[in-house]
Amino acid sequence: EAEVAQSPRYKITEKSQAVAFWCDPISGHATLYWYRQILGQGPELLVQFQDESVVDDSQLPKDRFSAERLKGVDSTLKIQPAELGDSAMYLCASSTGQGPYEQYFGPGTRLTVT
Amino acid sequence: AQKVTQAQTEISVVEKEDVTLDCVYETRDTTYYLFWYKQPPSGELVFLIRRNSFDEQNEISGRYSWNFQKSTSSFNFTITASQVVDSAVYFCALRGGITGANSKLTFGKGITLSVRP
Repeated sequence: EAEVAQSPRYKITEKSQAVAFWCDPISGHATLYWYRQILGQGPELLVQFQDESVVDDSQLPKDRFSAERLKGVDSTLKIQPAELGDSAMYLCASSTGQGPYEQYFGPGTRLTVT
Repeated sequence: AQKVTQAQTEISVVEKEDVTLDCVYETRDTTYYLFWYKQPPSGELVFLIRRNSFDEQNEISGRYSWNFQKSTSSFNFTITASQVVDSAVYFCALRGGITGANSKLTFGKGITLSVRP
């Protein structure tokens, strides 16, 4: 069964350092999402891609976060510089399109900023 | 604005008990979609079900069943004869039906279900 791949699974970094997360969606899925999940909360969308284009990044803190999906396949989410409040689970999801399709999630990257 | 409320935060049951997880939503869209996801300790969100707003028929899948009531804006999830493997955090989510770019899910805060042997 096809899965969304993410790496690393765990990341510990110091405040003010740069950190990057990688996501490989299910093959053929045009839409890719990055969510942030703070402990005890539901996931919140950071950015949505349709192929290589950003569709929604209204909740992305653009002063420190960036995301790209250069060839419309895998994607990278970067934080620079990391802050203590960025400690969270970062989840990647993909779906076949922009419609009301199920989003399939990867295992996530748990980030701890010290 | 869309909102999903999961008023229950933690539920603990003994194996084989039935348990219902509540979900109440708010949306101004006439067409919308509701989802349930399961998040086991490993962290991955597992898709369970999608329900369209124009289809109020309840659904059963094995030990799982869902009760969708537009009149009360609720989409409740029942696990029959719970098992230890059902222990997880369960999220209800909502997506508006407006076609176009934004297809993000709005999640509730989740319900932690613990099933004891």
